[in-house]
Amino acid sequence: KNEVEQSPQNLTAQEGEFITINCSYSVGISALHWLQQHPGGGIVSLFMLSSGKKKHGRLIATINIQEKHSSLHITASHPRDSAVYICAVRWGTNFGNEKLTFGTGTRLTIIP
Amino acid sequence: NAGVTQTPKFRVLKTGQSMTLLCAQDMNHEYMYWYRQDPGMGLRLIHYSVGEGTTAKGEVPDGYNVSRLKKQNFLLGLESAAPSQTSVYFCASSPGDRVAYNEQFFGPGTRLTVL
Repeated sequence: KNEVEQSPQNLTAQEGEFITINCSYSVGISALHWLQQHPGGGIVSLFMLSSGKKKHGRLIATINIQEKHSSLHITASHPRDSAVYICAVRWGTNFGNEKLTFGTGTRLTIIP
Repeated sequence: NAGVTQTPKFRVLKTGQSMTLLCAQDMNHEYMYWYRQDPGMGLRLIHYSVGEGTTAKGEVPDGYNVSRLKKQNFLLGLESAAPSQTSVYFCASSPGDRVAYNEQFFGPGTRLTVL
């Protein structure tokens, strides 16, 4: 069974700390997504990547295809970063297949 | 642009009642999806559509039906609601241009409780 695992499940940190959230998957993928779910429930896409590294503001996403692993980093964390961060993968290489398998999420709480 | 919208936002049903959830997108996306989100589990795909007039089953389709009569709308129906269908339902859409990997855009969710 194709699986996506995230760690840690819950993470509490002080404002300003460097945050790392991990995602591992079982077989080869074509793309990996990082999503953010706000406390109010809305889900937004942060990154989509199939190799290397992407950066947007204080957020950095990396992926290691050989090790089947991705990380999401947050620099200079802030209480407004408190949310659930979700990893999702697309299996296979067919552009027409856009179905995703989701991890269970990492709940991040940043304390002022 | 409103993006992806869902109606209603909240609903309480009794066992056996039926209802339809509406998803609308104004981005001219080809692909649309219905997911459910339950505590301790990742989002799971219920049904999806790769274009107007097409639908396909996802991971957890039992007890649900869908229709995509217009490109911008994707309806999710529960014919006879059961307590196991208590969940938060998310609709999403993506361009589906088949030449690149696309991100998905999510609606705000519908919280459904079946008593």
